[in-house]
Amino acid sequence: DTAVSQTPKYLVTQMGNDKSIKCEQNLGHDTMYWYKQDSKKFLKIMFSYNNKELIINETVPNRFSPKSPDKAHLNLHINSLELGDSAVYFCASSPFGAGDKDGYTFGSGTRLTVV
Amino acid sequence: EDKVVQSPLSLVVHEGDTVTLNCSYEVTNFRSLLWYKQEKKAPTFLFMLTSSGIEKKSGRLSSILDKKELSSILNITATQTGDSAIYLCAVEGQSSYKLIFGSGTRLLVRP
Repeated sequence: DTAVSQTPKYLVTQMGNDKSIKCEQNLGHDTMYWYKQDSKKFLKIMFSYNNKELIINETVPNRFSPKSPDKAHLNLHINSLELGDSAVYFCASSPFGAGDKDGYTFGSGTRLTVV
Repeated sequence: EDKVVQSPLSLVVHEGDTVTLNCSYEVTNFRSLLWYKQEKKAPTFLFMLTSSGIEKKSGRLSSILDKKELSSILNITATQTGDSAIYLCAVEGQSSYKLIFGSGTRLLVRP
């Protein structure tokens, strides 16, 4: 059983399109996250949700809209895709913040390529 | 602004060598520091260090937190080719709802 699963794993799309990435966790965690990893492997927080409520929006353009229908799901919709959006997007979950012995659990990532 | 800096950015060693990776941080209200190993896909958890647990060890890997120097090291002894990966350091600061990552150290272990 995959603990944090993301779909799709790969996404190639043209500039200007709208796309969504889905994330589901079966760990019973309260908190879910979206991170962006650029070509230099730098991981940066985008959003955090706790029990379906937005906690952190780290100055992400409003073309990015997360949605959490329940605490096991956190989806990411991106409007009007730009070349600079090309990256690997990681979903993650944790029981409550990172203050648990196992820290975060990451999904396997979605590699988004905008052409 | 909260910041995490890792060094070196990359490292090439031979099997059997011992390596030390460095992480320094500037964060408001430090809570914990975490080390991750990233191979091809998702980062996998290695250690978490807090004020009450400043040294951790698991097999050939060990990590120490120096709260006075605001830094941590990750040691890998008797390196193997399977240790080749990017090692990420992350810190939990004032907000429990995000981790601040360093840029990672890319380790390559040659046979």
